[in-house]
Amino acid sequence: LAKTTQPISMDSYEGQEVNITCSHNNIATNDYITWYQQFPSQGPRFIIQGYKTKVTNEVASLFIPADRKSSTLSLPRVSLSDTAVYYCLVGERDGNNRKLIWGLGTSLAVNP
Amino acid sequence: EAGVAQSPRYKIIEKRQSVAFWCNPISGHATLYWYQQILGQGPKLLIQFQNNGVVDDSQLPKDRFSAERLKGVDSTLKIQPAKLEDSAVYLCASSLSRAGAYGYEQYFGPGTRLTVT
Repeated sequence: LAKTTQPISMDSYEGQEVNITCSHNNIATNDYITWYQQFPSQGPRFIIQGYKTKVTNEVASLFIPADRKSSTLSLPRVSLSDTAVYYCLVGERDGNNRKLIWGLGTSLAVNP
Repeated sequence: EAGVAQSPRYKIIEKRQSVAFWCNPISGHATLYWYQQILGQGPKLLIQFQNNGVVDDSQLPKDRFSAERLKGVDSTLKIQPAKLEDSAVYLCASSLSRAGAYGYEQYFGPGTRLTVT
């Protein structure tokens, strides 16, 4: 079963834009790509979700190329409170079934 | 709107003992998920319910883990007997998405931290 792939960690500074890319070569047809944020000792929290092209909400943008085999979460002007682990979640094909596959997550550290 | 409730928040047991976790999803959410999250790793789906039916339990170690959602609302996850490697955070989540629908906006509870000694 294929896995999603993300960078293990990233460093940034306050006010910068951060882009985190996730590869998901085996994404199931009609499945959305969903990104979550997780702080220590808490459950993951939904950030954004998309199917194709670009989606934007009040906290982030999500860019999805036409082949949908990857996606990029963009966090504009990060602050210290954005220090967290970010996960992408997709449904992947497994024969005739669909499996929910979480990446290992990207640990983002935002420095002052 | 109340969030996903889980109890207990922490549990310490000895290996070979049994333990149960409880989850109450957000009202109206038909889909309920149980995850295991080991420190430093992403959540691993153990079981997914749609109402009181199982959608996916392919990663549930069925020789020791069991889960039920009898009335399509709250759910219980049990481990019997526990092993050292079961030490993890057990997360419950719920969503409006029906099984087979393809968006996964899940709402998570605070989790139960299990330590097996």
